[in-house]
Amino acid sequence: GAGVSQSPRYKVAKRGQDVALRCDPISGHVSLFWYQQALGQGPEFLTYFQNEAQLDKSGLPSDRFFAERPEGSVSTLKIQRTQQEDSAVYLCASSLQGVQETQYFGPGTRLLVL
Amino acid sequence: QQQVKQSPQSLIVQKGGISIINCAYENTAFDYFPWYQQFPGKGPALLIAIRPDVSEKKEGRFTISFNKSAKQFSLHIMDSQPGDSATYFCAARYNFNKFYFGSGTKLNVKP
Repeated sequence: GAGVSQSPRYKVAKRGQDVALRCDPISGHVSLFWYQQALGQGPEFLTYFQNEAQLDKSGLPSDRFFAERPEGSVSTLKIQRTQQEDSAVYLCASSLQGVQETQYFGPGTRLLVL
Repeated sequence: QQQVKQSPQSLIVQKGGISIINCAYENTAFDYFPWYQQFPGKGPALLIAIRPDVSEKKEGRFTISFNKSAKQFSLHIMDSQPGDSATYFCAARYNFNKFYFGSGTKLNVKP
């Protein structure tokens, strides 16, 4: 079956521009996670959804970052007024149940802010 | 501060050799420790995982050794193959949903 998909795969934004990154989790997966992966580093937790509820957003670096999952499936990560330090790969992962361990990652969206 | 410390940053191993990657943590509330494999341009994929009540878990050529008292765990890849060349991340889970990742180890297996 289809895995986690993310779009766009690459995004170039000018500093100050708003961007929206989309994640399509595996069908039926309850949990959805967003991570930020800087070049040469491990993924860093941003936020977590269980269905449509955002249960943890402690990793969002600033109030310019906003995530939503209104119908409990597709999720969007929005970054307002992008800064150069926002340049990274943004990974989305989903898992079947709230505490089920295996996270399935998408290929990521590589964001470059000029 | 970094919740999970991983070493080495890079590793070169001959084909057929053993690759060993180490991780250390401080938070004793972590309850699940997975290892991920990541190829360029792809997302991480779960390789093998262990819970802290187990000292060792083996799946094929991959083994996790877990030392709860030392707060350390390691990944051993036996009979390393060129196809194993990738970046490996250890991770630790807190409160069922928050995962902390190590900084990664780039493994190069020479043919």
